[in-house]
Amino acid sequence: AQTVTQSQPEMSVQEAETVTLSCTYDTSESDYYLFWYKQPPSRQMILVIRQEAYKQQNATENRFSVNFQKAAKSFSLKISDSQLGDAAMYFCAYRSGSGNTPLVFGKGTRLSVIA
Amino acid sequence: NAGVTQTPKFRVLKTGQSMTLLCAQDMNHEYMYWYRQDPGMGLRLIHYSVGEGTTAKGEVPDGYNVSRLKKQNFLLGLESAAPSQTSVYFCASSLTQGSNQPQHFGDGTRLSIL
Repeated sequence: AQTVTQSQPEMSVQEAETVTLSCTYDTSESDYYLFWYKQPPSRQMILVIRQEAYKQQNATENRFSVNFQKAAKSFSLKISDSQLGDAAMYFCAYRSGSGNTPLVFGKGTRLSVIA
Repeated sequence: NAGVTQTPKFRVLKTGQSMTLLCAQDMNHEYMYWYRQDPGMGLRLIHYSVGEGTTAKGEVPDGYNVSRLKKQNFLLGLESAAPSQTSVYFCASSLTQGSNQPQHFGDGTRLSIL
């Protein structure tokens, strides 16, 4: 079974600075998808960014980008120019490329943004 | 623009009581999921459905039942609530095709079992 590990329960960053959240996963598959979700205090789960394993190019969405290292099974999220609104729980998630299988989530990283 | 709607948003139960959580989506999604979220545990899959009339067990299915009688609705039932089921419950849905399709989440239901 696939597992997703987020080794940083909590992180903090100064406003306008850059922070990187770590995520590693364990799988024997070659075809899969990776996601980062954000959960602010409102509890809503919001998709931040996604990466297809077959793509070598790292995904980017405005201030959010990933560093996808397939061989190392690493999928870190970089937030540039951090804003107060970025404060939230961030979850890394894995989904198999074979069939319609559910997401497997990591335990999350709580990010605080310091003004 | 409702998306995924969960009912109720909050509920307090006594041990042994039963209740049903309702999830409704208006995006014509085939796949629907129920998760529970506990501190330090992330989201854990309880049950899911790949289409109307189908259900499957997830990671933590014990103590829960589900039904998908209509494509747009996915019900989560607790037959005899236990304090260990105190949690925040999330429903999600996704399109059938393509594993790159993201899951759309509801706003969650906070359930407390006394």
